[in-house]
Amino acid sequence: QVQLMQSGAEVKKPGSSVRVSCQASGDTISDYSINWVRQAPGQGLEWMGAFISLLGTTKVAQKFQDRITLWAEKSTDTAFMELNSLTSDDTATYFCAWGNWFDPWGPGTLVTVSS
Amino acid sequence: QSALTQPPSASGSPGHSVTFSCTGTSSDVGAFDRVSWFQQHPGKAPKLMIYEVNKRPSGIPDRFSGSKSGNTASLTVSALQAEDEAYYYCSSYAGGNSWVFGGGTKLTVL
Repeated sequence: QVQLMQSGAEVKKPGSSVRVSCQASGDTISDYSINWVRQAPGQGLEWMGAFISLLGTTKVAQKFQDRITLWAEKSTDTAFMELNSLTSDDTATYFCAWGNWFDPWGPGTLVTVSS
Repeated sequence: QSALTQPPSASGSPGHSVTFSCTGTSSDVGAFDRVSWFQQHPGKAPKLMIYEVNKRPSGIPDRFSGSKSGNTASLTVSALQAEDEAYYYCSSYAGGNSWVFGGGTKLTVL
């Protein structure tokens, strides 16, 4: 059974960037997609995009198209999400989720954007 | 894409059943049999409960069942237990390798 581990909490200034990693154990990332979902405090889930390993391509929600980068290092079974031009609205917990059925999820990475 | 529509809250007594709805459009819920349901307890990551409208992952009790009619999907939790109290989110494939979530329903077990 695959397990996902995510990088630690971050505090960022407005206008800066954040990179969150998601490392898989128990399976290889090569044949699966990694989805990224965020959850603002007290709010619902928001799909941000996916890195589709099998195709080596990404699909990103229109809302994030101009400031998100998704990629993966197959050698370490690690996926990455980088979000640029941060604002306070980006304060959220960022989750990675495995495969087309979002199963399982990583534990989440809290990103706080504050001046 | 717009978020799927879920009622903000629902409640039921132990042993009883409750059904949540999840309304989308003909471009997501209505177009694909790729609706999932997730359970999230406070401070925890979401957990897949139902996928492909009505399939249960290994380890999910058959008290949880899903269905779909047109642009609306539903999750039924039978024989409610205290530990079922959580937020429930639906999601749907929306084409072009994209997904959309609902706003979530908070289930209270009375």
